[in-house]
Amino acid sequence: KAGVTQTPRYLIKTRGQQVTLSCSPISGHRSVSWYQQTPGQGLQFLFEYFSETQRNKGNFPGRFSGRQFSNSRSEMNVSTLELGDSALYLCASSLYSNYRAGNTGELFFGEGSRLTVL
Amino acid sequence: GEDVEQSLFLSVREGDSSVINCTYTDSSSTYLYWYKQEPGAGLQLLTYIFSNMDMKQDQRLTVLLNKKDKHLSLRIADTQTGDSAIYFCAALNTGKLIFGQGTTLQVKP
Repeated sequence: KAGVTQTPRYLIKTRGQQVTLSCSPISGHRSVSWYQQTPGQGLQFLFEYFSETQRNKGNFPGRFSGRQFSNSRSEMNVSTLELGDSALYLCASSLYSNYRAGNTGELFFGEGSRLTVL
Repeated sequence: GEDVEQSLFLSVREGDSSVINCTYTDSSSTYLYWYKQEPGAGLQLLTYIFSNMDMKQDQRLTVLLNKKDKHLSLRIADTQTGDSAIYFCAALNTGKLIFGQGTTLQVKP
């Protein structure tokens, strides 16, 4: 079956703009998590959505937001872009929410969206 | 909070075994994972282990978990040049993955 699909794969924005990234999870998976990967900070958790509800949030400013639709697809939005937002944004899907027991333990990542802010 | 540490670099010869080590600090982490990342790509799930297990084997991969020392290792048997990549250890803690810095595995022919 198809894996996790992220679009767009690459994008370039300028400071002050906003960006929306999309993630389609593996069919049947209801949890979508977002991570930011940078050379300096490594991989950091942004948030998790399960059944259209945000279940968990990392330590990022309010400029970072997300949502999940009824078909489990998720989007994340970054407003008022800063140079430091340049990163690879990774989406991961799993069957159950990571925030409660019952998670099978398997989290599958997409290829990522590489954002460059100029 | 949870903290995950890995050594940054490992170099091996093709055909040898590779052992990548990881330590974590919070014994309440439920699952521990190994991911592989090749240049320009996302994270590929290699294997994972539940925190009440000691060992898990999957073809060329063997994961060992020492809960007392909070130490996790990934052994790759018969390492190939295609195994060259960055390997991340991660712990599932309070609903999120906490990643190590990644270990770059260099495989020399």
